[in-house]
Amino acid sequence: DGGITQSPKYLFRKEGQNVTLSCEQNLNHDAMYWYRQDPGQGLRLIYYSQIVNDFQKGDIAEGYSVSREKKESFPLTVTSAQKNPTAFYLCASSIAGDNYGYTFGSGTRLTVV
Amino acid sequence: AQSVTQLDSQVPVFEEAPVELRCNYSSSVSVYLFWYVQYPNQGLQLLLKYLSGSTLVESINGFEAEFNKSQTSFHLRKPSVHISDTAEYFCAVTYTGGFKTIFGAGTRLFVKA
Repeated sequence: DGGITQSPKYLFRKEGQNVTLSCEQNLNHDAMYWYRQDPGQGLRLIYYSQIVNDFQKGDIAEGYSVSREKKESFPLTVTSAQKNPTAFYLCASSIAGDNYGYTFGSGTRLTVV
Repeated sequence: AQSVTQLDSQVPVFEEAPVELRCNYSSSVSVYLFWYVQYPNQGLQLLLKYLSGSTLVESINGFEAEFNKSQTSFHLRKPSVHISDTAEYFCAVTYTGGFKTIFGAGTRLFVKA
């Protein structure tokens, strides 16, 4: 079945450590997105990519980095510069264009220990 | 600035009662409108969407939403809720040609027996 796979489901990060969250899709979607979800704040856009080898900052990109070397993959790195990384991270994809809606992965819960 | 407001953060309701989850957006320019549902520790799933045409749109599990351009609203309704409808519901807006989708903060629907 086509879909988006996020891994790992749970991730623990030590202070000062970089961690990478994986997002893979087999839907042949051109666009991919990373959102951060905090209680009561809805979804906030971190980065998005409309085509391979190109990506744009969202509303809260500081302390995060991404790459888009393959159409299927859009990994997110949470760097040590992100001072409050504990959150639920969601990856999504869509057909290029603005009226199709998104397909979401099941999320990664990141906790700083 | 473009924004989406979900007027209720939590809505408790008894099983088999009707429910309305309210959503307003900030501009009356051409938009596409979406409702997503999120069950605990999962990603979001597209529930229904309005693109054009009939202002009343329906989902397969009994939810419906009505686009009201003059009031810039897209409220979600269900005439009789089930325990299994307990989840968080997100309203989202894409401004045509704008590419980015803006999400509301979410409404937690809690259905009681």
